[in-house]
Amino acid sequence: AQTVTQSQPEMSVQEAETVTLSCTYDTSENNYYLFWYKQPPSRQMILVIRQEAYKQQNATENRFSVNFQKAAKSFSLKISDSQLGDTAMYFCAFRSNSGYALNFGKGTSLLVTP
Amino acid sequence: GAGVSQSPSNKVTEKGKDVELRCDPISGHTALYWYRQSLGQGLEFLIYFQGNSAPDKSGLPSDRFSAERTGGSVSTLTIQRTQQEDSAVYLCASSADRVGNQPQHFGDGTRLSIL
Repeated sequence: AQTVTQSQPEMSVQEAETVTLSCTYDTSENNYYLFWYKQPPSRQMILVIRQEAYKQQNATENRFSVNFQKAAKSFSLKISDSQLGDTAMYFCAFRSNSGYALNFGKGTSLLVTP
Repeated sequence: GAGVSQSPSNKVTEKGKDVELRCDPISGHTALYWYRQSLGQGLEFLIYFQGNSAPDKSGLPSDRFSAERTGGSVSTLTIQRTQQEDSAVYLCASSADRVGNQPQHFGDGTRLSIL
């Protein structure tokens, strides 16, 4: 079974600054998919960014980018120019190429302060 | 179009009662998933539907839990004889297909509280 570890239960960053959230995972598979989801207090899980393991290029979506290190099994999320609306729980998730269920980490609570 | 819709948003019930949770996926999405989010366990997978079939029910925690999907659309998750440990947020997600990197789109969840 794949496990996903987020080692930072809580983080804080000032508005306009950059913050990096860590995620590591354990798998014996070569092809898989990684995701970062954001969950604000409204409870809805919102997809932030995704990465295919077979792609070497790191995914980017506006202010969000990832640092995907396949050999190290690391998948960190960088948020640039942090905004108050980025305050939320952030979950890292893994899905194998042959599977369908998402395996989630425990989450990182991010607080963006003025 | 509309996103994944779940109802009720909140449900409070007494221990021992049965509850039904409803999920209306994004139109055209063939794959549907149920997850449970609780303080102690984080997010855990419960069941997956492809069309009306559930090829994997391994995540259901006990035989008190069941789910069905009709018409390849709406799904209901039923919990019989509820226990206090069933208290959690139940999240539903759908995707266009299960293959590749098709993202799962989530609803707002149902917060279930067992008294």
